[in-house]
Amino acid sequence: DAGITQSPRHKVTETGTPVTLRCHQTENHRYMYWYRQDPGHGLRLIHYSYGVKDTDKGEVSDGYSVSRSKTEDFLLTLESATSSQTSVYFCAISAQGGQPQHFGDGTRLSIL
Amino acid sequence: DQQVKQNSPSLSVQEGRISILNCDYTNSMFDYFLWYKKYPAEGPTFLISISSIKDKNEDGRFTVFLNKSAKHLSLHIVPSQPGDSAVYFCAASPSGTYKYIFGTGTRLKVLA
Repeated sequence: DAGITQSPRHKVTETGTPVTLRCHQTENHRYMYWYRQDPGHGLRLIHYSYGVKDTDKGEVSDGYSVSRSKTEDFLLTLESATSSQTSVYFCAISAQGGQPQHFGDGTRLSIL
Repeated sequence: DQQVKQNSPSLSVQEGRISILNCDYTNSMFDYFLWYKKYPAEGPTFLISISSIKDKNEDGRFTVFLNKSAKHLSLHIVPSQPGDSAVYFCAASPSGTYKYIFGTGTRLKVLA
């Protein structure tokens, strides 16, 4: 299994609070991704990174920011969480663009 | 606007028989396609991929077929086993990008 750790695995928080999710990899892969999974939508890309300090938006990036200061860590931040951001969040990594992405086990986030 | 569609939310198959999961796409710029399997409370696991220059790719019990003119791909699992029971996602990647567009998933149940 690819060495990907997501933390926390579960979180419940209130509307308006900031939330940061962490993805840590031990594979030294260049590319990292954040997705959210919602019923009826499959997985949708939020942001991705193609190197340290190099990030770009995905299809559902509004309300989210990311940072990558080290190869191994990719952080996803909800500056002011809303109930619509209740979801399961997955981190993925790939060695090169175009190669299959490998996923972590997800973070279940509930915003009340 | 769903660019990758899995029109069957669920499928039941007897153990030992063939499972066929289907996926349609609308964007002719997609040139790389993948199938992922997902168990509950785990991240998606990469199964098999195919490039648009091929029309078939096999890996053990899993075969992916690509029909570019129909913008259709399918995953065949032969023989199906109870451990194959999971949600299957197809994904497509546009040429020149590292982003995947996922379908909404098909839940496969293999009956013993």
